[in-house]
Amino acid sequence: NAGVTQTPKFQVLKTGQSMTLQCAQDMNHNSMYWYRQDPGMGLRLIYYSASEGTTDKGEVPNGYNVSRLNKREFSLRLESAAPSQTSVYFCASSVSRNTGELFFGEGSRLTVL
Amino acid sequence: QKEVEQNSGPLSVPEGAIASLNCTYSDRGSQSFFWYRQYSGKSPELIMSIYSNGDKEDGRFTAQLNKASQYVSLLIRDSQPSDSATYLCAVIRHTGGFKTIFGAGTRLFVKA
Repeated sequence: NAGVTQTPKFQVLKTGQSMTLQCAQDMNHNSMYWYRQDPGMGLRLIYYSASEGTTDKGEVPNGYNVSRLNKREFSLRLESAAPSQTSVYFCASSVSRNTGELFFGEGSRLTVL
Repeated sequence: QKEVEQNSGPLSVPEGAIASLNCTYSDRGSQSFFWYRQYSGKSPELIMSIYSNGDKEDGRFTAQLNKASQYVSLLIRDSQPSDSATYLCAVIRHTGGFKTIFGAGTRLFVKA
């Protein structure tokens, strides 16, 4: 049982490059989330998808786009990476957006030079 | 004011002692509260959830909730070096849609 799988685990980009972080869950969860974690800032919500076909902005959505491809997959795209987007990104899923328990992927460490 | 506030620590306690971690939140309408543990370089994992005022115990962990004071705490009894981690308080904010918002976390060190 893989749970939540994120790829890639590490990535180095140059300023202005684009990339997509992929996330898939095999728990039949309805809701999926993307967070970023920076030192001293905790986890900040970028975007979430309450259910298949819907996406909503979180606390820090600027510079990102998301796609809920199907119930299993939720991707995060950086169209033009900036050094301020250097962070560790976590994908998470839950049964629904108001049930609380989040299951996290292992994280993706992104460095933008 | 941050929506979910925690003392960043580090909090250092000797092995066998009680570690007390605190959290306050700003959305008075919040109904669901969680504590996650995150080891260095790893992803967060849920250790406790609490939804009603009072105490909830699970093994060495006790979560306490006081909605009137907008305060959540986590007590770890008989602390072990393996409890050394960052503890994240999380709240489901109902205002503006259901969103899980995290505090910045408290680093706990348990000295052997």
